[in-house]
Amino acid sequence: GAVVSQHPSRVICKSGTSVKIECRSLDFQATTMFWYRQFPKQSLMLMATSNEGSKATYEQGVEKDKFLINHASLTLSTLTVTSAHPEDSSFYICSASLAGGQQYFGPGTRLTVT
Amino acid sequence: DAKTTQPPSMDCAEGRAANLPCNHSTISGNEYVYWYRQIHSQGPQYIIHGLKNNETNEMASLIITEDRKSSTLILPHATLRDTAVYYCIVRVKGDKIIFGKGTRLHILP
Repeated sequence: GAVVSQHPSRVICKSGTSVKIECRSLDFQATTMFWYRQFPKQSLMLMATSNEGSKATYEQGVEKDKFLINHASLTLSTLTVTSAHPEDSSFYICSASLAGGQQYFGPGTRLTVT
Repeated sequence: DAKTTQPPSMDCAEGRAANLPCNHSTISGNEYVYWYRQIHSQGPQYIIHGLKNNETNEMASLIITEDRKSSTLILPHATLRDTAVYYCIVRVKGDKIIFGKGTRLHILP
């Protein structure tokens, strides 16, 4: 149980375009979902926290207009990278939280912006 | 900022026990110690967590000192598949997870 999926697993897009990444909790309802970004040889950096039906809370330094987060249901959150540039190329990971605080992570999405 | 200190890397021979230390000297009374690991190009995987008692599950054991200022994750019989970055995290249940740099564990054949 407690499986989190992400789609797509990898995506290549052109500079200036937008790309949407989906995060789903497959077998549980997640009250809270989190989005992380990881650059090569670095640790995961928390970008934002989203609760179903409310606006996401962004960490300091993360542009909310560039990284749009929608959490429309208890099993789905989406991250849209708007007007992507090569410096946005990264590994994006989501996690979903069970009531009681246990977090389960998705497999990640590798974004390459050319 | 992460509230834990871990060695940047460790080696362990295959089949031996891997003991990964973590210092968390500023841990609060309501904060748990969590361990996750991340195998290359995958999402982090939950391993174990504890408050003050030692804990054991099918993956590992967690030993927490009596003063709770440090802990050790023990993988009893390391295999090549245990090669990963191991993260020690202290947090209140339900709080967001802030990752430090972790320990890169190399299992040597």
